[in-house]
Amino acid sequence: GENVEQHPSTLSVQEGDSAVIKCTYSDSASNYFPWYKQELGKGPQLIIDIRSNVGEKKDQRIAVTLNKTAKHFSLHITETQPEDSAVYFCAVSREAYQLIWGAGTKLIIKP
Amino acid sequence: DTGVSQNPRHKITKRGQNVTFRCDPISEHNRLYWYRQTLGQGPEFLTYFQNEAQLEKSRLLSDRFSAERPKGSFSTLEIQRTEQGDSAMYLCASDFLGGNSPLHFGNGTRLTVT
Repeated sequence: GENVEQHPSTLSVQEGDSAVIKCTYSDSASNYFPWYKQELGKGPQLIIDIRSNVGEKKDQRIAVTLNKTAKHFSLHITETQPEDSAVYFCAVSREAYQLIWGAGTKLIIKP
Repeated sequence: DTGVSQNPRHKITKRGQNVTFRCDPISEHNRLYWYRQTLGQGPEFLTYFQNEAQLEKSRLLSDRFSAERPKGSFSTLEIQRTEQGDSAMYLCASDFLGGNSPLHFGNGTRLTVT
């Protein structure tokens, strides 16, 4: 079955710097790659997603890049702010209920 | 706010008791999902409904767990004879089949079994 690895498990960056989180997956048939942000005591919230017919997608300070050949995708956050501190999860699927999740990255923004 | 709503937010119960959680999905969504999340882990899929039909159940879902969505709107998740290992965050999510709709999560019910 599908296996998703997410790195790093913890990432600490200075406010204003960029943060990059990477996920690799094993099933070449996977075609949907969302990223979720989870704050303490809340459910995961979708921040950006990409489908396999697109290589890159950007939404203001957040971007996702997908390399289907290498089977990895990355979340890029530029100009980080304190409110970006949270746990970020990548996920992979062919159907929404089949989302396979990474283990999460705790992002810490240092003031 | 028309997001996914879950109640209660927190539940503390003694081992062996039954508990029931409720989820109200986004109104136009026809698919509803239950996930379980333990500390430091991503959500684990438990089951999902398309309208009122329960279409998939994870092997994680023991026979002490039952979920219903009787009218294709809200859903309930019941855990019978709770065990300490059931302590977790139970998350509900919904989306719309056919519209490339992303999965929207509620804020979960945190269950503590003492």
